[in-house]
Amino acid sequence: AQSVTQPDIHITVSEGASLELRCNYSYGATPYLFWYVQSPGQGLQLLLKYFSGDTLVQGIKGFEAEFKRSQSSFNLRKPSVHWSDAAEYFCAVGTMDSNYQLIWGAGTKLIIKP
Amino acid sequence: GAVVSQHPSRVICKSGTSVKIECRSLDFQATTMFWYRQFPKQSLMLMATSNEGSKATYEQGVEKDKFLINHASLTLSTLTVTSAHPEDSSFYICSAPAGSSYNEQFFGPGTRLTVL
Repeated sequence: AQSVTQPDIHITVSEGASLELRCNYSYGATPYLFWYVQSPGQGLQLLLKYFSGDTLVQGIKGFEAEFKRSQSSFNLRKPSVHWSDAAEYFCAVGTMDSNYQLIWGAGTKLIIKP
Repeated sequence: GAVVSQHPSRVICKSGTSVKIECRSLDFQATTMFWYRQFPKQSLMLMATSNEGSKATYEQGVEKDKFLINHASLTLSTLTVTSAHPEDSSFYICSAPAGSSYNEQFFGPGTRLTVL
């Protein structure tokens, strides 16, 4: 069965430090991969997505993610975090044979230390 | 990009009443829409897939008679929480696939339901 794992429930990072949020998936073929961010009480905003092509994907707000097929991973990175990046981050996987449904990771809460 | 709206953004109701939440695709047609429920500090849980012109498909464990879904047009799906109880309090989010291959979903801003 398809699944998405975000192993870190929460991560604390100092402002200005680099960030990496982990995401691993289980699927037989190459899925569609997404990272979303959700601020408290808000809806979901798409940060970036991977469908095919270049495995390093650039997104909004200075985020990037790299698809590594051999590791079934799609980790999200940012070289220098800002206090406004504090939010919940969700990795999601979509597949052609799932009627466009998304399978969600449990989310990682990012806490920024001043 | 495609825009999805939800109304209302917040609703407070008394136990036993019914609440309707609307999900609209503003600049595209959506034959399919998804309804999610999100508990505090948790991920999204897919409740059902709304299909224009046909019955919704519910996920296992979701009560069809409790959460009525109507997809009356290509731009509107509604979720009605019937006889709401405090345990139905949650954040409800809808989404619709769009894009050139329908492989990306666009999300509404969510509706916060509080049942007293």
